[in-house]
Amino acid sequence: AQSVTQLDSQVPVFEEAPVELRCNYSSSVSVYLFWYVQYPNQGLQLLLKYLSGSTLVKGINGFEAEFNKSQTSFHLRKPSVHISDTAEYFCAVSEMGGGNKLTFGTGTQLKVEL
Amino acid sequence: DVKVTQSSRYLVKRTGEKVFLECVQDMDHENMFWYRQDPGLGLRLIYFSYDVKMKEKGDIPEGYSVSREKKERFSLILESASTNQTSMYLCASSLGTENQPQHFGDGTRLSIL
Repeated sequence: AQSVTQLDSQVPVFEEAPVELRCNYSSSVSVYLFWYVQYPNQGLQLLLKYLSGSTLVKGINGFEAEFNKSQTSFHLRKPSVHISDTAEYFCAVSEMGGGNKLTFGTGTQLKVEL
Repeated sequence: DVKVTQSSRYLVKRTGEKVFLECVQDMDHENMFWYRQDPGLGLRLIYFSYDVKMKEKGDIPEGYSVSREKKERFSLILESASTNQTSMYLCASSLGTENQPQHFGDGTRLSIL
């Protein structure tokens, strides 16, 4: 069975600074990878996804992530954050042939400060 | 845009009550999912469904059941609510083909007293 690890439960960062949110996964088969964002009192919104092809994927709101198969990682990055990026971020994995079932990490709370 | 609507944002029930959480999607998606979200635990899959009248257990199905009588509607049922079922419940839907992202509702915050 697959699993997802987000080691950082909270990441504080100053506005306009770069940020990286880490995600590692474990699976015995090929996977699809997703990052979701959750703003307070809302559901999850898709930021970006890796399905195949180029390992660098770009998403909404200036975020990007890089798939690294050898390190089984899918870290999320943004070169310059804004106050409005304050939210919880979830990494998720779906196994090929797994019927779109997602396994989520425990989430990283990004807090952007002035 | 896909719209996934959960019938209640906040719900307060008593221990032992039978509780129904409703979810409706408007994009003709084949797949529907129920998760619970708890601090420090992320989202955990309770039940999912690939088609009308079909259901599959997720990772934490104990104490829950589901119903999918129509394609657009997926109901989560707490047969006899207990305090440890106090949580945020999220519904999601997706197309049936592989690698499709899930689309989420805004969640129902359920408190069992």
